Amino acid sequence: ETGVTQSPTHLIKTRGQQVTLRCSSQSGHNTVSWYQQALGQGPQFIFQYYREEENGRGNFPPRFSGLQFPNYSSELNVNALELDDSALYLCASSLAVVTSGGGKNIQYFGAGTRLSVL
Amino acid sequence: GNSVTQMEGPVTLSEEAFLTINCTYTATGYPSLFWYVQYPGEGLQLLLKATKADDKGSNKGFEATYRKETTSFHLEKGSVQVSDSAVYFCALSGGNNDMRFGAGTRLTVKP
Repeated sequence: ETGVTQSPTHLIKTRGQQVTLRCSSQSGHNTVSWYQQALGQGPQFIFQYYREEENGRGNFPPRFSGLQFPNYSSELNVNALELDDSALYLCASSLAVVTSGGGKNIQYFGAGTRLSVL
Repeated sequence: GNSVTQMEGPVTLSEEAFLTINCTYTATGYPSLFWYVQYPGEGLQLLLKATKADDKGSNKGFEATYRKETTSFHLEKGSVQVSDSAVYFCALSGGNNDMRFGAGTRLTVKP
């Protein structure tokens, strides 16, 4: 049990629609990262939010957007859904500590939201 | 950019067999290295980590050593159990904190 919760667990949408996925961070964590995991593949980094600001982005188009709220919970929004957006979307929270050589914070993952686009 | 390459599966072993899953990485600077495990229908769980060269991460009988000279972080377990059946992901985290994952290795342990 990581303390990271995602909702909904499953979602079915049609092509062209918009979707919002939600994530509650583990208590005390200030950073949220979102990943897309296609079937049979490893998670791909979408973006990260730190203190309500985007703090890094992977190779995803602008129709993937996000928000982080003052309580550090987060949303992932995807507009104009495409069939290839069907995947497991994972949220991970961590406590970012500003030190030299970064990258040492452990990310704790939620169970994911499985999105199917028909 | 940073990347991880891990042994492709699937891997099928008998109970009590020795496990090795190979992982190599490409990165600038001094990344942290991780192994995550994913059970069916669940998210990723951290299995072990190492944050600097020659560190050994260990948990639940699994071990991996951060080898900077060979840019590797191979996962090993001396005696696997049926309950170890899952998908294992090698990952690295660089200076910008985004994690790069390998494609995953599916392990099936038969009784």
